[in-house]
Amino acid sequence: AQKITQTQPGMFVQEKEAVTLDCTYDTSDPSYGLFWYKQPSSGEMIFLIYQGSYDQQNATEGRYSLNFQKARKSANLVISASQLGDSAMYFCAMREDFNAGNMLTFGGGTRLMVKP
Amino acid sequence: DADVTQTPRNRITKTGKRIMLECSQTKGHDRMYWYRQDPGLGLRLIYYSFDVKDINKGEISDGYSVSRQAQAKFSLSLESAIPNQTALYFCATSDRQPGNEKLFFGSGTQLSVL
Repeated sequence: AQKITQTQPGMFVQEKEAVTLDCTYDTSDPSYGLFWYKQPSSGEMIFLIYQGSYDQQNATEGRYSLNFQKARKSANLVISASQLGDSAMYFCAMREDFNAGNMLTFGGGTRLMVKP
Repeated sequence: DADVTQTPRNRITKTGKRIMLECSQTKGHDRMYWYRQDPGLGLRLIYYSFDVKDINKGEISDGYSVSRQAQAKFSLSLESAIPNQTALYFCATSDRQPGNEKLFFGSGTQLSVL
């Protein structure tokens, strides 16, 4: 079974609007972390935000926030006030602290396109 | 200078050739990783190393080998390249500190096997 599922291969959003990128995960590990990375067309991987499984509050980093719903096993990325520079691939990833040797497992990604 | 440096940035080779991708880091991290990226599949782990004497297979290690020459250097080899190894390859590092073990990535190597 897929450990990280990103069901939106591609999305459009109007500049200055908010957008939510979906991510669901599957783990039996009680301790885990969730990450979002951005990959612009230049190819580099840029860390955006992190949420630990025991964190009580949703993580926020500037215009990025992570909508963490533990019971539903979802960790959606919310980008507020989209900018043209937000056009990129976005990857959700999970680290399981006891399973999988503490590795990061990635989802298939969502391509976000911001329209002017 | 980049903290995680991959060479080469691009490589085109022929089926059956031996290829080495190199990675060096100045972050002082113990942990290093090799991932490959294919469209629609995200990044998949090939090999990882938690220190110089600790090397482990990842999800898709068949057809690949690695060498951890020093704390700062981790190379990936394709002993006999085949076309389905055409992909974008990333080296990454992370700190061993528990909690926010985010990965720091190199710029990637685009490999094409003809």
